[in-house]
Amino acid sequence: DIQMTQSPSSLSASVGDRVTITCRASQSISSYLNWYQQKPGKAPKLLIYGASSLQSGVPSRFSGSGSGTDFTLTISSLQPEDFATYYCQQSYSSFFGQGTRLEIK
Amino acid sequence: QVQLQESGPGLVKPSQTLSLTCTVSGGSISIGTDYWSWIRQPAGKGPEWIGRIDFSGSTNYNPSLKSRVAISIDTSKNQFSLKVISVTAADTAVYYCARDSWGYCSSSICARYFYMDVWGKGTTVTVSS
Repeated sequence: DIQMTQSPSSLSASVGDRVTITCRASQSISSYLNWYQQKPGKAPKLLIYGASSLQSGVPSRFSGSGSGTDFTLTISSLQPEDFATYYCQQSYSSFFGQGTRLEIK
Repeated sequence: QVQLQESGPGLVKPSQTLSLTCTVSGGSISIGTDYWSWIRQPAGKGPEWIGRIDFSGSTNYNPSLKSRVAISIDTSKNQFSLKVISVTAADTAVYYCARDSWGYCSSSICARYFYMDVWGKGTTVTVSS
């Protein structure tokens, strides 16, 4: 099985900061990677699919990049509603990473 | 727009069968362009994909759960369902259903890729005697 490893596991940042979360696959997955945001008590929400395609309705401050084994999710200017846990997901096996918790500094 | 709602018992005894249903509203499950997934999430952990089904009843399962799970579809009721047999405390989790949008892979590493763009709110299932 392909393993998905996210880093960091947790992150503290301030409103307005630029934040980058990394996801690494144990072998090449081309650009078959999704990113989700999850708030406490809520279902995950799709942000990015195909490594860099922004899901409809998602603010443009979210962006994704990468291919092969290394991927990043970037939030260009953190807003209060962005503090949540973020998961990457390999899109053909559907396995998730372990998550990155983004907290307010 | 499409909405999903999970339903089923919140408490299941060890060794018994967990049964959940996902009701789809705002769209037809039998159109044939989408897949439908079950995902679960133990408290404090990341999501775990369980499996998916298409309108024809074709299924794919997480290899780690394949021996104990079955997903079925009832297009007449616009529902799909999950059964997990021989449950233990490790099956305690929030269970979600989701719609999978998909595309054909452009490389040889896969046939299709998926992304879960509509989710239900989730239902908590506890396995305990």
